[in-house]
Amino acid sequence: GQSLEQPSEVTAVEGAIVQINCTYQTSGFYGLSWYQQHDGGAPTFLSYNALDGLEETGRFSSFLSRSDSYGYLLLQELQMKDSASYFCAVHSWGKLQFGAGTQVVVTP
Amino acid sequence: SQTIHQWPATLVQPVGSPLSLECTVEGTSNPNLYWYRQAAGRGLQLLFYSVGIGQISSEVPQNLSASRPQDRQFILSSKKLLLSDSGFYLCAWSDDRVSNQPQHFGDGTRLSIL
Repeated sequence: GQSLEQPSEVTAVEGAIVQINCTYQTSGFYGLSWYQQHDGGAPTFLSYNALDGLEETGRFSSFLSRSDSYGYLLLQELQMKDSASYFCAVHSWGKLQFGAGTQVVVTP
Repeated sequence: SQTIHQWPATLVQPVGSPLSLECTVEGTSNPNLYWYRQAAGRGLQLLFYSVGIGQISSEVPQNLSASRPQDRQFILSSKKLLLSDSGFYLCAWSDDRVSNQPQHFGDGTRLSIL
């Protein structure tokens, strides 16, 4: 079967760095995506890794290790607006399987 | 640019009533279309996806059905709603020309069953 594991909640102060880990088990793995969802809103796409290594997009970076079935999202220079839920999602056979999400709480 | 519209934003329905949620995409052709449900504080569960008109794949046996009568229109329906159908329903699209593209979500419909 398929499964994804990510922490349920992370709390950090403004300006800090947060790393959200995601481990997965799946067949037919094509890549790992990350989505951000603010309370009451729709998920928005952040990043996609198909190959091993680090992808950087501004303050956010995402990493993938296919051999370890592991990835992470790195949030740098945290801002209050980064308070949201973050989901990792595995691309498998043309579909997305989402994790349960990590709630990031940014405090002043 | 591409946009996705989903309505209504909120809906309160009695148990046993029918349901119809609509989703349309603009600015692209032959998109892959998806319906998800999200329970409070949880991840997204894929309900249906479609790669073309009239082509629907169901992921989870349930009380719901989906239809794609036009290229950029995706409808989620039920003949008789159950209490367990409450949740946040999200429609999404992705570009079918390249596999494993990001999915782009509509604003969602918050459905409460009384």
